Amino acid sequence: EAQVTQNPRYLITVTGKKLTVTCSQNMNHEYMSWYRQDPGLGLRQIYYSMNVEVTDKGDVPEGYKVSRKEKRNFPLILESPSPNQTSLYFCASTRTTGPGNTIYFGEGSWLTVV
Amino acid sequence: AQSVTQPDIHITVSEGASLELRCNYSYGATPYLFWYVQSPGQGLQLLLKYFSGDTLVQGIKGFEAEFKRSQSSFNLRKPSVHWSDAAEYFCAVSEPGSSNTGKLIFGQGTTLQVKP
Repeated sequence: EAQVTQNPRYLITVTGKKLTVTCSQNMNHEYMSWYRQDPGLGLRQIYYSMNVEVTDKGDVPEGYKVSRKEKRNFPLILESPSPNQTSLYFCASTRTTGPGNTIYFGEGSWLTVV
Repeated sequence: AQSVTQPDIHITVSEGASLELRCNYSYGATPYLFWYVQSPGQGLQLLLKYFSGDTLVQGIKGFEAEFKRSQSSFNLRKPSVHWSDAAEYFCAVSEPGSSNTGKLIFGQGTTLQVKP
């Protein structure tokens, strides 16, 4: 079964305490990305990766880091979280071959920074 | 730059009534078009998508959407709404052939409330 798995699903943390949200896909997709969802703003892309060791900024990259050491994994790193990073985060894996794009989303990670 | 506008932030309809959610996009060519639904506390579920061909697209849960190139619109419709359709709906586009080809640009979302 095609899956995008992200962890943790729910997290409350304190300002400045580094955290990592993991994301893993089992579809051998080259393209993966992270989004954050905020009320009234929809989802916005944070970072994306076209392949292993190839990452680039999306629309709202400030305060985040990513890495892509293996094709299946694309962790999102908050080095020093701040309250304005309280949000719902989605990892996505995209099949970019063939007609159109087929995008698979993880179930979301609710992050609260206090 | 591409943008997606969902003009209605909040819509309330009675159960059994018809529904139309509006979506307009700004892009020079025809993008890929998507509608997602998010139930409270849940993730995103794809309702339907348009890549090319027939401009009337059928999706899951009885939803359909029509792509109108002249109006740069991709409105979502359902003939008879059920209480379980209460959720937030997102329109999204992606840009074929771009350097960031997998990127989705989302609208702000429309919250649907269903009255009994």
